[in-house]
Amino acid sequence: DAGVTQSPTHLIKTRGQHVTLRCSPISGHKSVSWYQQVLGQGPQFIFQYYEKEERGRGNFPDRFSARQFPNYSSELNVNALLLGDSALYLCASSLEQGPIPLHFGNGTRLTVT
Amino acid sequence: AQRVTQPEKLLSVFKGAPVELKCNYSYSGSPELFWYVQYSRQRLQLLLRHISRESIKGFTADLNKGETSFHLKKPFAQEEDSAMYYCALSAQGGSEKLVFGKGMKLTVNP
Repeated sequence: DAGVTQSPTHLIKTRGQHVTLRCSPISGHKSVSWYQQVLGQGPQFIFQYYEKEERGRGNFPDRFSARQFPNYSSELNVNALLLGDSALYLCASSLEQGPIPLHFGNGTRLTVT
Repeated sequence: AQRVTQPEKLLSVFKGAPVELKCNYSYSGSPELFWYVQYSRQRLQLLLRHISRESIKGFTADLNKGETSFHLKKPFAQEEDSAMYYCALSAQGGSEKLVFGKGMKLTVNP
């Protein structure tokens, strides 16, 4: 089945650069959320978007931003990359808001050198 | 603040043995609790949630508000249960924000 798709799968960037990660939710899903997973840790909530509006924000600096498009796909942007931003970035979608089952993508592995 | 603690990082058992993956949480309201699982080379997926009160793949979990725990149990482990398991909490009000524990790797040996 066509699950949540994320691109790219891997990315290497240099400190100070900017990165854009993309996510396509499951067809019909209106809610998209983003998580950061550092090696050895569980996923940490970054953003949630529903019907193109931000509905939740985690404890991340303003260098992190996101948006959702009319087709419900989403982008996560990170400016002025730091070494500590190296992580697996997960996108998850769900039909509606709320903690109903989240469907995760395979993630984008970002390495900052 | 909401917090989920999985006190053990690794658990190794033999096939047919019982397993219990511990999860404790900290939250002053009424949380929703979940277990997510990630099998090798697969994406993170929901295993079960406490409000469903169902058994998935032989696993059950009971929310104990007195002990603030949501331990995952299975009476007879199978090799295909080997995976990373994450306990997660959603705050009262149905927020989509999930707070995850650090995860636990279960290995079931033949």
